[in-house]
Amino acid sequence: QKEVEQNSGPLSVPEGAIASLNCTYSDRGSQSFFWYRQYSGKSPELIMSIYSNGDKEDGRFTAQLNKASQYVSLLIRDSQPSDSATYLCAVKSDSWGKFQFGAGTQVVVTP
Amino acid sequence: DADVTQTPRNRITKTGKRIMLECSQTKGHDRMYWYRQDPGLGLRLIYYSFDVKDINKGEISDGYSVSRQAQAKFSLSLESAIPNQTALYFCATSDPALRQPGDNTEAFFGQGTRLTVV
Repeated sequence: QKEVEQNSGPLSVPEGAIASLNCTYSDRGSQSFFWYRQYSGKSPELIMSIYSNGDKEDGRFTAQLNKASQYVSLLIRDSQPSDSATYLCAVKSDSWGKFQFGAGTQVVVTP
Repeated sequence: DADVTQTPRNRITKTGKRIMLECSQTKGHDRMYWYRQDPGLGLRLIYYSFDVKDINKGEISDGYSVSRQAQAKFSLSLESAIPNQTALYFCATSDPALRQPGDNTEAFFGQGTRLTVV
């Protein structure tokens, strides 16, 4: 079992709709959670970080964390063609200091 | 200029050759990482270093070695390159653990090095 699991996609989303991405993790000691966006051939860039249970909103993005169920999700509202990318979920245990990444979910926003 | 700089950006090398990928950072972070990315496999950790005197193997360290020459520099070497080491390589840095709400503890990535071994 992978430590961080994501659906690989592609997730096809009409322009203007909501994209919903999910991520589950196995290490209960994980304390920090991140969503990165990666365009093809480019480096990952941080979209959201979340450290506490609940929702965190930043513009069109909302991250949701449920430590009891060991999942973290990302909602993208009013999806735009520029949101077409691969989204990587990452978790980190501050005890170990290492980041564990999921394989990523490819999102395709169709006009 | 990028905060995390990788050189070279692209490299084609022959099987059996030794190659070094370099990473330098201006963020002042103690923690540095080397990842490789293959299609469908995400980012896999090769080596990581929490300070100049601390080097640790990641999940796929076989065939690789590293050197932490200074706080700002972390190099990855392939002693004898083989074709299945063809991949996109990323260096990353981070600050230590969360100290108070609002601290940023995410990983910052370099631009990547596309390595092809023929």
